[in-house]
Amino acid sequence: NAGVTQTPKFRILKIGQSMTLQCAQDMNHNYMYWYRQDPGMGLKLIYYSVGAGITDKGEVPNGYNVSRSTTEDFPLRLELAAPSQTSVYFCASSYGPGPTGELFFGEGSRLTVL
Amino acid sequence: DQQVKQNSPSLSVQEGRISILNCDYTNSMFDYFLWYKKYPAEGPTFLISISSIKDKNEDGRFTVFLNKSAKHLSLHIVPSQPGDSAVYFCAARPTQGGSEKLVFGKGTKLTVNP
Repeated sequence: NAGVTQTPKFRILKIGQSMTLQCAQDMNHNYMYWYRQDPGMGLKLIYYSVGAGITDKGEVPNGYNVSRSTTEDFPLRLELAAPSQTSVYFCASSYGPGPTGELFFGEGSRLTVL
Repeated sequence: DQQVKQNSPSLSVQEGRISILNCDYTNSMFDYFLWYKKYPAEGPTFLISISSIKDKNEDGRFTVFLNKSAKHLSLHIVPSQPGDSAVYFCAARPTQGGSEKLVFGKGTKLTVNP
């Protein structure tokens, strides 16, 4: 049972480059999320999706784009990478908004922009 | 403006003793509180939660206490084990909104010494 799978685990980008972080879940969860965690900080929500074809901005969406064409996949696109986007990115999913808000996280993708 | 605060970046305890991790919040409109545990190079995993209508929730060695008047919650781990060494994140869910509105603290790194 894979859960939430993120690729790549590590990536170094040059300023101005673009890339896509992949996220897939096999739990048939409706809700999916992208968070970033900067050193010494909590998790900040970038974008989320409540189902295929539906996405919405979180707290820190600038510089990112997402799409949700299937229930399983929720890729995060970085356009024109900047040093401020150096962070660890976590994809997560949940069955729904839920009474508890329990999220299932992937292992993270560490991105460095030089 | 931090709505969820974990004021202790780190905590060190001896194996077998109690670990107490603290979390303060500023928004009275949170209705659910959660604790996540994170090992290095892994994503956070859900540990325990508590509804705002309760003051205590217990799950094995883990107990969460909620003091609404003080806007304070704590996670107790008894007895502490070396495998509990991890970063613990407190999170809160606003009454208006679902999992996408979770607010995370910065985390407390717990070290349990053998």
